[in-house]
Amino acid sequence: DTAVSQTPKYLVTQMGNDKSIKCEQNLGHDTMYWYKQDSKKFLKIMFSYNNKELIINETVPNRFSPKSPDKAHLNLHINSLELGDSAVYFCASSQEGRTEAFFGQGTRLTVV
Amino acid sequence: SQQGEEDPQALSIQEGENATMNCSYKTSINNLQWYRQNSGRGLVHLILIRSNEREKHSGRLRVTLDTSKKSSSLLITASRAADTASYFCATGLYNTDKLIFGTGTRLQVFP
Repeated sequence: DTAVSQTPKYLVTQMGNDKSIKCEQNLGHDTMYWYKQDSKKFLKIMFSYNNKELIINETVPNRFSPKSPDKAHLNLHINSLELGDSAVYFCASSQEGRTEAFFGQGTRLTVV
Repeated sequence: SQQGEEDPQALSIQEGENATMNCSYKTSINNLQWYRQNSGRGLVHLILIRSNEREKHSGRLRVTLDTSKKSSSLLITASRAADTASYFCATGLYNTDKLIFGTGTRLQVFP
């Protein structure tokens, strides 16, 4: 059983398109996150949701919109994709938000 | 702003040697965690040390925390080729769900 699963694993798309990445966790955690890992492997938090409520919204362009239909899912929708959005996006979840986080396998987004 | 800096950025050792990675951070923390990332994979949690703890062990891993210096170290003893990966520290802050990651250390263990 995969604890945190995200789809798709790879996503290649053209500039200007709109795309979504889905994430689901079956751990019963209350908190879910989206992280972006750039080409230098630096991981930066983008969003955090707790029980479907947005808790953290870092300085991310408003082209990025997270959606949490229930506490087991946190999807990421990106409008008008730009070249600079190319990165690996990781979904993660944790219990209470201050303990270990469980990560998905990542979605490698390439914008051409 | 970036919370954690890791040192060294890259480390190459022979199997059987010990590997030490250091992490420095900037603000007060609730806990500090270490994660491992194999190439092309997600991060896997290794160990968590709370702000009131100074040292913690888990198998071949030893973590220390010095809150006065705002630094932590991860020691992997008797390294194996399978330990080859990137290692990240992450700080859990008070009153927030945020985990702030360091820049990572790429460890290469040669057989």
